[in-house]
Amino acid sequence: DAKTTQPTSMDCAEGRAANLPCNHSTISGNEYVYWYRQIHSQGPQYIIHGLKNNETNEMASLIITEDRKSSTLILPHATLRDTAVYYCIVRALIQGAQKLVFGQGTRLTINP
Amino acid sequence: ETGVTQSPTHLIKTRGQQVTLRCSSQSGHNTVSWYQQALGQGPQFIFQYYREEENGRGNFPPRFSGLQFPNYSSELNVNALELDDSALYLCASRVGGGRLDEQFFGPGTRLTVL
Repeated sequence: DAKTTQPTSMDCAEGRAANLPCNHSTISGNEYVYWYRQIHSQGPQYIIHGLKNNETNEMASLIITEDRKSSTLILPHATLRDTAVYYCIVRALIQGAQKLVFGQGTRLTINP
Repeated sequence: ETGVTQSPTHLIKTRGQQVTLRCSSQSGHNTVSWYQQALGQGPQFIFQYYREEENGRGNFPPRFSGLQFPNYSSELNVNALELDDSALYLCASRVGGGRLDEQFFGPGTRLTVL
């Protein structure tokens, strides 16, 4: 699985859009970009994933650059409950043990 | 609510002891994965069970072992505990062959080894 690089921490004001970057310059053609978040004292929660097109769901939007070497997770109207560690993971959809390889993630703090 | 539960919530053990952690998977999910999360780090994959058989393992020594039962619940056993085993242990369940976005994590068991 390709390695990802994320900022260690970020701050965002409540009500504003939070934009979390992720670099994955060694991503392969068959690898997807997944985003998870982990709120304090809880297990990781799936947010969104994509291959090359931009994706949007009820939680967030995912913007993947044309060369697929980086992506941005966007939380359009951040709330205090969005304070969490956000993990960007790159992996292929293969059979067998579909383990997730987590890095250290970005600690996002939403400020009132 | 994900439906994945873990017990106990917290546990304190001493070095050299053995511990068993339990995971009850979401209804209909036959695949369980276990992860170890040290303080300040991301979760690290320990192993995965599918239909009562281990079918994938991370870089953990044999003293980390597991079981999956016919109802798909699972146990993680750690023998000869070391101080570095202090961590949050997470399990995640999904349908075998199912999508990762349909995998759900439990809240974890916080193990402290003294």
